[in-house]
Amino acid sequence: AQSVAQPEDQVNVAEGNPLTVKCTYSVSGNPYLFWYVQYPNRGLQFLLKYITGDNLVKGSYGFEAEFNKSQTSFHLKKPSALVSDSALYFCAVRPLGTDSWGKLQFGAGTQVVVTP
Amino acid sequence: NAGVTQTPKFRVLKTGQSMTLLCAQDMNHEYMYWYRQDPGMGLRLIHYSVGEGTTAKGEVPDGYNVSRLKKQNFLLGLESAAPSQTSVYFCASGRGGNEQFFGPGTRLTVL
Repeated sequence: AQSVAQPEDQVNVAEGNPLTVKCTYSVSGNPYLFWYVQYPNRGLQFLLKYITGDNLVKGSYGFEAEFNKSQTSFHLKKPSALVSDSALYFCAVRPLGTDSWGKLQFGAGTQVVVTP
Repeated sequence: NAGVTQTPKFRVLKTGQSMTLLCAQDMNHEYMYWYRQDPGMGLRLIHYSVGEGTTAKGEVPDGYNVSRLKKQNFLLGLESAAPSQTSVYFCASGRGGNEQFFGPGTRLTVL
């Protein structure tokens, strides 16, 4: 069975410092991988995805993520964090297969707190 | 474009009452999904639909029913609400393997 793990409940970082949010997955085959962000009292917003190709994926708001097949990881990164990046971040995986129907398996989420 | 909209935004029910949550999307997406979000558990898929007139069970379908009579609408029903169904419910739509677009959520409390 597929699973997604976000090992950190919360990540604290000072504004201007690099931000990393970790994600590892367990799924058969080559998955589609996604990152979403959720601001307070809002729905999830799509940040970026990896399907195939270059292991470094660039997304919205200056975020990027690196796919590492050997480590089954898809960590989210931002070179210089902003206070406005404070939010809840979700990693998600969609395994390939005719019966997946676009369904996503979400991690538990990581709260990012960026302090001025 | 309004994107994905959900009605209502908030609701309080008593145990045993019923209600229907409405999701509408104007992006002509084939796929629609209902999730629930609980603290520390991420989002869990309740039911989904791959097209008008079709529905299927997700990870946590018990206690919920859905209908997709029109392509743009996806309804989630609770026939007899229980306190365990207190949650935030999100609807999403998409085109299969691509990203999903989420609504603003419905916060439901069952007393």
